[in-house]
Amino acid sequence: EPEVTQTPSHQVTQMGQEVILRCVPISNHLYFYWYRQILGQKVEFLVSFYNNEISEKSEIFDDQFSVERPDGSNFTLKIRSTKLEDSAMYFCASTDRAAQNFGAGSRLTVL
Amino acid sequence: KNEVEQSPQNLTAQEGEFITINCSYSVGISALHWLQQHPGGGIVSLFMLSSGKKKHGRLIATINIQEKHSSLHITASHPRDSAVYICAARSNTGNQFYFGTGTSLTVIP
Repeated sequence: EPEVTQTPSHQVTQMGQEVILRCVPISNHLYFYWYRQILGQKVEFLVSFYNNEISEKSEIFDDQFSVERPDGSNFTLKIRSTKLEDSAMYFCASTDRAAQNFGAGSRLTVL
Repeated sequence: KNEVEQSPQNLTAQEGEFITINCSYSVGISALHWLQQHPGGGIVSLFMLSSGKKKHGRLIATINIQEKHSSLHITASHPRDSAVYICAARSNTGNQFYFGTGTSLTVIP
């Protein structure tokens, strides 16, 4: 069964460094999402992406965040200058307008 | 403010019991999702519904659009059902999702 894959599974970085989280959505899906879950808290919506552009973003998704689909398969989330509070699990999901398929998540630890 | 509220926050049940988890939302939605988050953190989509009722195995999800309320039922609960169940509402004004805080279910053998 096709699945959404995310890399890396865990990344440790120093505060102020740039981080890129990668996602490979299911190939025939058109809608892509990034979510964040801070440890012990609820899942939060960051951004949705359709037709090679952002369709909606939350208040969390400020100027330090960006998303790209650089090569038609990968879907990346970039955090330009990480802060301690960016430490969280980041989930990617894709859908063809039915139920969402989630990746296993990338755990980001900012020191 | 929480656009999506879930109850209960925690639930412990004996194996075999019938379980109900509730979700209320305050925003206009195009769809309501029920998700299962395993202890390891992975998230699986259980249901997406915009009206009525859906059933998959021992799981049943219902939604009442007028009352802005959805329920997830588990019949004949089993220890492997132990997980966090999350309600998520897709806004009808765009492609944004609002998540509940989750219900942590523990089913005891």
